[in-house]
Amino acid sequence: EVQLVESGGGLVQPGGSLRLSCAASGFTFNTYWMHWVRQAPGKGLVWVSRINSDGSSASYADSVKGRFTISRDNAKNTLYLQINSLRAEDTAVYYCTRGDYCFDSWGQGTLVTVSS
Amino acid sequence: QLVLTQSPSASASLGASVKLTCTLSSGHSSYAIAWHQQQPEKGPRYLMRLNSDGSHIKGDGIPDRFSGSSSGAERYLIISSLQSGDEADYYCQTWGTDTQWVFGGGTKLTVL
Repeated sequence: EVQLVESGGGLVQPGGSLRLSCAASGFTFNTYWMHWVRQAPGKGLVWVSRINSDGSSASYADSVKGRFTISRDNAKNTLYLQINSLRAEDTAVYYCTRGDYCFDSWGQGTLVTVSS
Repeated sequence: QLVLTQSPSASASLGASVKLTCTLSSGHSSYAIAWHQQQPEKGPRYLMRLNSDGSHIKGDGIPDRFSGSSSGAERYLIISSLQSGDEADYYCQTWGTDTQWVFGGGTKLTVL
């Protein structure tokens, strides 16, 4: 069974940083592109970032470019999102998901709250 | 620009059928999409990939009550024999060139 388990969220002050993790199991992690998607309270899903299967290529939504960094450790079957210079508008549940095109498996999400 | 448009809300009676619509922006009518379900306070769940010819591939464990079809730039999710557990937000999602992934705004389905 495919499992994606996010962790690392919490309450952080504006300008602060966090590193989110996503532990993957039940599939061959190093053959899949992985993504982060976020959902602000009461809002819809928004794609944030993607990394290819070997970690050599990444892309970002314009709203996070230069502040967020996606990475992966294929030996540990884990996806990461380093989020810096946090703003109030980054408050959201962050989901990891897999797939080159369709997102065919999702985690349960981790909540990031940016507030002073 | 690649955009997906969904109606904000829909409703149908218990046991009935409902058809949710996702419309691709001009110039993108050949694109495939995916449908995702998000029940209250839960993470999204992948339902299916839906191609422009109406063929679809469902995720593991998705009941036969869920199906998809296509017409031009419109992609449909059809849910038959509605159950209370189908009350959820439904999102369409697609992907384009230049590594862009896009979601529709979501449709909130109420089962009456």
